[in-house]
Amino acid sequence: DTEVTQTPKHLVMGMTNKKSLKCEQHMGHRAMYWYKQKAKKPPELMFVYSYEKLSINESVPSRFSPECPNSSLLNLHLHALQPEDSALYLCASSQAPFTGELFFGEGSRLTVL
Amino acid sequence: DAKTTQPTSMDCAEGRAANLPCNHSTISGNEYVYWYRQIHSQGPQYIIHGLKNNETNEMASLIITEDRKSSTLILPHATLRDTAVYYCIVRLSYTGGFKTIFGAGTRLFVKA
Repeated sequence: DTEVTQTPKHLVMGMTNKKSLKCEQHMGHRAMYWYKQKAKKPPELMFVYSYEKLSINESVPSRFSPECPNSSLLNLHLHALQPEDSALYLCASSQAPFTGELFFGEGSRLTVL
Repeated sequence: DAKTTQPTSMDCAEGRAANLPCNHSTISGNEYVYWYRQIHSQGPQYIIHGLKNNETNEMASLIITEDRKSSTLILPHATLRDTAVYYCIVRLSYTGGFKTIFGAGTRLFVKA
């Protein structure tokens, strides 16, 4: 199994809603990542979890709250988002933290109304 | 931090080799060069990486200059399915490890 699975594929939410994005991998990888990608732009690193601990937060606003319940799961909790937060949110994993290639999921496309 | 410079876009005829250049003149000695591609509406896909030596796998070849200031990704026989944005990434070292930071990339169009 070499897949990173992200759910939901599409999400529409209002600015007052609370929602979550979910990411799952069963490759035994010990690092997981969230990237944000706006249209026609490269992915931007948001968070890195290493051995289930938050290692990097790239100055992301607190309305985005990551969570790593176990080594296979990564969540991104969303609250009080703005329309400019609409983007493709990509999850990735790597075998060891900060080394090796990243395996990406297909992304969750978020629209904030 | 090492940054990369790539052409905005390139064309390639189907069946021909696609050579995608990348400049990374400020690369440090322990920073690897990685290549990913992103086909429309999909997540990025790892292609290949290297430190000093040239590398080849089933997808592509990576040629790194001796001074490591530039590299070229070679797709030997491009197909229409290779149309994508190709990202050259220098995995940046920082205290505690490395970060994978994407640059603007090259949009490759493979034409029949």
